[in-house]
Amino acid sequence: KNEVEQSPQNLTAQEGEFITINCSYSVGISALHWLQQHPGGGIVSLFMLSSGKKKHGRLIATINIQEKHSSLHITASHPRDSAVYICAVRPGAQKLVFGQGTRLTINP
Amino acid sequence: NAGVTQTPKFQVLKTGQSMTLQCAQDMNHNSMYWYRQDPGMGLRLIYYSASEGTTDKGEVPNGYNVSRLNKREFSLRLESAAPSQTSVYFCASSGDRAGELFFGEGSRLTVL
Repeated sequence: KNEVEQSPQNLTAQEGEFITINCSYSVGISALHWLQQHPGGGIVSLFMLSSGKKKHGRLIATINIQEKHSSLHITASHPRDSAVYICAVRPGAQKLVFGQGTRLTINP
Repeated sequence: NAGVTQTPKFQVLKTGQSMTLQCAQDMNHNSMYWYRQDPGMGLRLIYYSASEGTTDKGEVPNGYNVSRLNKREFSLRLESAAPSQTSVYFCASSGDRAGELFFGEGSRLTVL
């Protein structure tokens, strides 16, 4: 079993829909990152969380440390949000353990 | 702001050839990383460096060597390339401030 599991693996939605991507992990962590990767592109860090909730524009990330679970929400989704979203956890100070990613497609 | 710069972006090698991927960051970060990304496997850590002059193995270090000659630069060397090393390679750096994590644009390597 992977230490970091994301669901769903693939998600297709219509423009304007509310999107939720989930991340569950099995190890103790100091922080969790949500990353975005556009097709053929580089990787951008969207959020780093160690507790609670963060919001940036239409993106909201939450984490429940006790339940070892985090969610990434996108409100009013847009085709430009189409990308792979990756959850990564920090079990220690240096290393990151990555989920396999969720491929999101938003249709106009 | 350049952030993290990787070169080359694309490379085709024949089995047995050697090459070095270069990575440089201009953010004064202590930690630097090399990952490979393969379909269905996610990102896997090859090597990392917590500070200048130190390096440590990650999950998949076999067939690779690294050098952290100064704070800015962290290179990844393939001494004798194998087809199994066909992948997209990402360099990353992180700082001490919360949330600082930056990736390069990736280097696509094909070994024939």
